[in-house]
Amino acid sequence: DSGVTQTPKHLITATGQRVTLRCSPRSGDLSVYWYQQSLDQGLQFLIQYYNGEERAKGNILERFSAQQFPDLHSELNLSSLELGDSALYFCASSVGGLAGNTGELFFGEGSRLTVL
Amino acid sequence: DAKTTQPNSMESNEEEPVHLPCNHSTISGTDYIHWYRQLPSQGPEYVIHGLTSNVNNRMASLAIAEDRKSSTLILHRATLRDAAVYYCILSYGGTASKLTFGTGTRLQVTL
Repeated sequence: DSGVTQTPKHLITATGQRVTLRCSPRSGDLSVYWYQQSLDQGLQFLIQYYNGEERAKGNILERFSAQQFPDLHSELNLSSLELGDSALYFCASSVGGLAGNTGELFFGEGSRLTVL
Repeated sequence: DAKTTQPNSMESNEEEPVHLPCNHSTISGTDYIHWYRQLPSQGPEYVIHGLTSNVNNRMASLAIAEDRKSSTLILHRATLRDAAVYYCILSYGGTASKLTFGTGTRLQVTL
């Protein structure tokens, strides 16, 4: 158990719909990262928040948005869903904002999104 | 961005040592080398990371070449539970705030 909690674990929805994925980081971790893993794209970095502020942005579509709340939990909003958005969405957390040199990201078990 | 190259797959026998190679010929002086692994149906899990010197922890050892253009993750005694995809990742300089995963090496462990 990494200490990172993601909900829901599974979600099935239709094209054009909007969903919200939630992530609670490990206690004390200030950074939250969102990753998307699909079969043909591998693990793609989407966005990072550090203590409520956006820190880094990756290949996140304009239809997707995220935020980190004062209690440090984060939500990833996916709208106008397309079939290609079907994927596993992982949240990770770390103590500081510079995972690149401090090492460890702790990943949740992911939210599996299926768009029909 | 500095890239890494790993074999797509490797096989090992249980209780044998495993050496997982990673090439990163364009690494810069401040890039850290990270290893994560992803077991089936789970999120990635941190294994080890280093900058220049070899590193050891309870899970594995990381051997970094003197010119830092390659590294090797060493699992001292592979078990069936070590079957996973292993990712070698470079952080982008000392201020990097994200880790970009490649395709990794799928390790199969057999009895």
